[in-house]
Amino acid sequence: ETGVTQTPRHLVMGMTNKKSLKCEQHLGHNAMYWYKQSAKKPLELMFVYNFKEQTENNSVPSRFSPECPNSSHLFLHLHTLQPEDSALYLCASSQGAGNEKLFFGSGTQLSVL
Amino acid sequence: AQSVAQPEDQVNVAEGNPLTVKCTYSVSGNPYLFWYVQYPNRGLQFLLKYITGDNLVKGSYGFEAEFNKSQTSFHLKKPSALVSDSALYFCAVRDMGKGTGYALNFGKGTSLLVTP
Repeated sequence: ETGVTQTPRHLVMGMTNKKSLKCEQHLGHNAMYWYKQSAKKPLELMFVYNFKEQTENNSVPSRFSPECPNSSHLFLHLHTLQPEDSALYLCASSQGAGNEKLFFGSGTQLSVL
Repeated sequence: AQSVAQPEDQVNVAEGNPLTVKCTYSVSGNPYLFWYVQYPNRGLQFLLKYITGDNLVKGSYGFEAEFNKSQTSFHLKKPSALVSDSALYFCAVRDMGKGTGYALNFGKGTSLLVTP
């Protein structure tokens, strides 16, 4: 295992629901990331946190709300999503935000009905 | 802006034959280049990276990649493919130019299928 754990593995939600994705890393890293993976499209960087501070928000719609309470935990709060938001959401961590060796979790497969 | 292009959606190769997965990049400064692999139902795993120095970089599982500045390419190679190499391969770049941020930009991925 990579040391990055994501829960749940699968999530089905309606457009009016509110849900949260959780990511936890046991590697002592200081930077954490959310990526969106859709079939046949480049991995899309969503958010970057370095030492619990958000350093990048890649023009993500406000229906996605990240939270990083400490360097080991990262959440992605979801509300009023659209069907096109269905994708695999990957969390990653690295030693620092300038260290490119990322360690990825297995992802949460999200389906929005 | 920084970007990578992986021109092939899928690469098919017979076991034992050499394989190449292509990647080209576009950056304003010097590039840091990476390859990651994704097995089914798993997250991405780091394979190798080029920062500076020797243009031929060796990585995990017998893979290597060659940095070619004139062609702005960073193709992934392996001399003899294994069935277990079948997976999705991602090229990624970070632009070391000023003000470009920290995170990697990934390509769309190339599916490698190695047949027995």
